[in-house]
Amino acid sequence: AQSVAQPEDQVNVAEGNPLTVKCTYSVSGNPYLFWYVQYPNRGLQFLLKYITGDNLVKGSYGFEAEFNKSQTSFHLKKPSALVSDSALYFCAVRDTYITSGTYKYIFGTGTRLKVLA
Amino acid sequence: SQTIHQWPATLVQPVGSPLSLECTVEGTSNPNLYWYRQAAGRGLQLLFYSVGIGQISSEVPQNLSASRPQDRQFILSSKKLLLSDSGFYLCAWSPPTGQGTHEQYFGPGTRLTVT
Repeated sequence: AQSVAQPEDQVNVAEGNPLTVKCTYSVSGNPYLFWYVQYPNRGLQFLLKYITGDNLVKGSYGFEAEFNKSQTSFHLKKPSALVSDSALYFCAVRDTYITSGTYKYIFGTGTRLKVLA
Repeated sequence: SQTIHQWPATLVQPVGSPLSLECTVEGTSNPNLYWYRQAAGRGLQLLFYSVGIGQISSEVPQNLSASRPQDRQFILSSKKLLLSDSGFYLCAWSPPTGQGTHEQYFGPGTRLTVT
């Protein structure tokens, strides 16, 4: 079965510094990988995805992620963190085929990012 | 553009009472629909998914049920709530088969507290 792991429960970074939120995956076949962000008491918002192609994927709000097949990683990055980036971040992978091109998804346990002013 | 609505936003219910949470999607047809529960502000547990009207699949046997009476309406129900049903319930949709995108779009969530 497919899985994703987010090894860090929390990441603290100073405002203006680069940030990295880690994700590793285990899949059979080609991975479809996603990052979502969740602000307090809100639903998840899609940030970016890797399906195929360039290993560096750019997404919303200045975030990007680097797909590394040899290390089975898909780390989320941002060159300069903002206090407003403080939130809960989820990595996800496409999982079981349901029917007619529809799939289920597996989410990591989440990493809380705290950007300090 | 597409929008997903959930209501109510918050709910406090006594143990043993019934539950009905509603989710509707606007701006798309035949979406795939999902119900998740998020406990303790962390990981998401897939509860139900639906690929069409009246087609419901359950991931975890439990006290809850789901229905899809209309194409863009997804309802989560319970006849008798348990304390363990407390959590943050999220509805999500993804585009119908063949439209080339793979991500899910989430509603704002319902915070359920069972007392």
